Parts: sequence; C-alpha cells; structure tokens
Amino acid sequence: EAGVAQSPRYKIIEKRQSVAFWCNPISGHATLYWYQQILGQGPKLLIQFQNNGVVDDSQLPKDRFSAERLKGVDSTLKIQPAKLEDSAVYLCASSLDLGSEQFFGPGTRLTVL
Amino acid sequence: RKEVEQDPGPFNVPEGATVAFNCTYSNSASQSFFWYRQDCRKEPKLLMSVYSSGNEDGRFTAQLNRASQYISLLIRDSKLSDSATYLCVVPDDKIIFGKGTRLHILP
Repeated sequence: EAGVAQSPRYKIIEKRQSVAFWCNPISGHATLYWYQQILGQGPKLLIQFQNNGVVDDSQLPKDRFSAERLKGVDSTLKIQPAKLEDSAVYLCASSLDLGSEQFFGPGTRLTVL
Repeated sequence: RKEVEQDPGPFNVPEGATVAFNCTYSNSASQSFFWYRQDCRKEPKLLMSVYSSGNEDGRFTAQLNRASQYISLLIRDSKLSDSATYLCVVPDDKIIFGKGTRLHILP
C-alpha cells in the first residue's frame, strides 16, 4: 500500500518569498493533517481536514499560511510571505477517520534565509 | 488550555535494561492515546495505540492511568535500535502532540 506522499522534500527560499507544499494522502483516508515541526519539538497541528472541510485551523497563522483540499484528496499548504521563523519540517499525515491512527509522509524541510 | 506533557530526557539507558517514561494529559475526557516513535530526521511512525487500560506488543507495554491522567510506555530488554524520540499524542477535539522524550540506548 502506498504511503503518504509529499513534495518537495527540501526547499530553500529567502524571507518574503512564497512557497507551496503538496501532499497526497493514503487512498481512502478521509482525514488529512498538516503539521509544523521545529527542531527539538513535537509536531504542531496547523490544519486538519475531514474530506474537503476544515475541522481545525486554530493554530494556522492565517495572515501568511493557507491550505486547501478542494476535492477531498490531495492538499496544498502555502506560505506567503515566508519569515525566518517558518524554517521547519512540514509534515502531512492522513488517517481513515477522525481520531484514528495517523500515517505520516516524509515531510518537507523548509529553510528560510 | 489542553496540554500534553512529556519529560524531554534524554534518557541514557544501557542495552538490555528496562526503561519507562510517562506522558501526562489535561483533558480528562480523552478516550484514545497513541505513542509514536520518531528517528532523527524522519517522520513519526505509530508504535502503539491505547484505548482502554493498556496495550502490549512484544517488549513494549503502554499503560493508561485515567485517575492520574497519564499514559506510560515501558520498554523491556532495550536494544540499540530503540534509540529514538518517543512522542505521545492525544487526538481529541484538538490534536496535541507532546514534545517527545529522547531515548539513547548505550552499548
């Protein structure tokens, strides 16, 4: 069974630039999550989708971050404009449904210079 | 505010020893809990799920103490390959990961 796919794996940008990440969850998984993980910390949930609806985006910095899952399958996360403190690994995960175990993609490592 | 707390460690443990660490949570209504393992520069991977009093899988045992609101992870006969960061997560209306406990198994 294919796992969660993410791209790109690495991205280096300068501050104030824009960047987008893509995630394709495991087939049939209704719930999709985007996390930000800063070195030495646990993953912080940015946004959670159930199919194409947002369940929780309370920790998403909405002035610069946006995410969508238009058809309820794959998803994109965008940062515009990026700040130095956005340097982190962005993890996408999916689960069959709310509250069930999550499967993580390999992550996108973002460096903002 | 709902919190999930873990001792960050590191726990430095000789190979073959038994080690245990806890994860405390603040939401008394939480029903399910998970332990994830994360290797350096890798994504988290599910280690164990805990839905009732506990769960056991080989050398790993997870226990739930509802009265004191913590879950524990016990690793028996530790191996060098157990060295990793162990994250607990409480997926209720808010999904909260702990910051993780770093474990180093020493040869």
